[in-house]
Amino acid sequence: DTGVSQNPRHKITKRGQNVTFRCDPISEHNRLYWYRQTLGQGPEFLTYFQNEAQLEKSRLLSDRFSAERPKGSFSTLEIQRTEQGDSAMYLCASSRSLGYTFGSGTRLTVV
Amino acid sequence: KQEVTQIPAALSVPEGENLVLNCSFTDSAIYNLQWFRQDPGKGLTSLLLIQSSQREQTSGRLNASLDKSSGRSTLYIAASQPGDSATYLCAVNQGGSEKLVFGKGTKLTVNP
Repeated sequence: DTGVSQNPRHKITKRGQNVTFRCDPISEHNRLYWYRQTLGQGPEFLTYFQNEAQLEKSRLLSDRFSAERPKGSFSTLEIQRTEQGDSAMYLCASSRSLGYTFGSGTRLTVV
Repeated sequence: KQEVTQIPAALSVPEGENLVLNCSFTDSAIYNLQWFRQDPGKGLTSLLLIQSSQREQTSGRLNASLDKSSGRSTLYIAASQPGDSATYLCAVNQGGSEKLVFGKGTKLTVNP
């Protein structure tokens, strides 16, 4: 098991385009989380899945953001009509009980 | 609303020094508190997790304490090394929610 994998590592997109990120959690972890981190700040919670069910969403997750976890395995986070304010590091984490394992993140730059 | 504050924002020390990083939180109804390390441009590495019923946890040169009633935690690093240079983040897990609320971190530089 190689930990939590996130792809791509970096994404540069033009404002208004749609982007999708993928997270592959540790295989036996049933919980999956998405966080967003901007420069000089701590990560901010976006959403949480237990298996395939999305059980918690932050108000930060506007209607341009959608996350899925089909079959309770990998997860995708899509941002539609990207804005410059969406530029950030998007972090995925997984957990089985206590404690989190984070991936290396996807850095999004909207130009 | 839970707020987590970390002091200082940045710290620079000579190699070999013992140091303490501070974390405070406004709502003491937490489930657990975690300390993470983040290297530049990278994800987070979990260092220590303290459950609400515990007072401290130790791992190698690291010791974390928790005083839930006063809303404080400290991370003690003994005999610091240049490889300890990173940003250290404190996060609390509120009861009734799965989310972690993070502080902004303390950027530590250990000079050889």
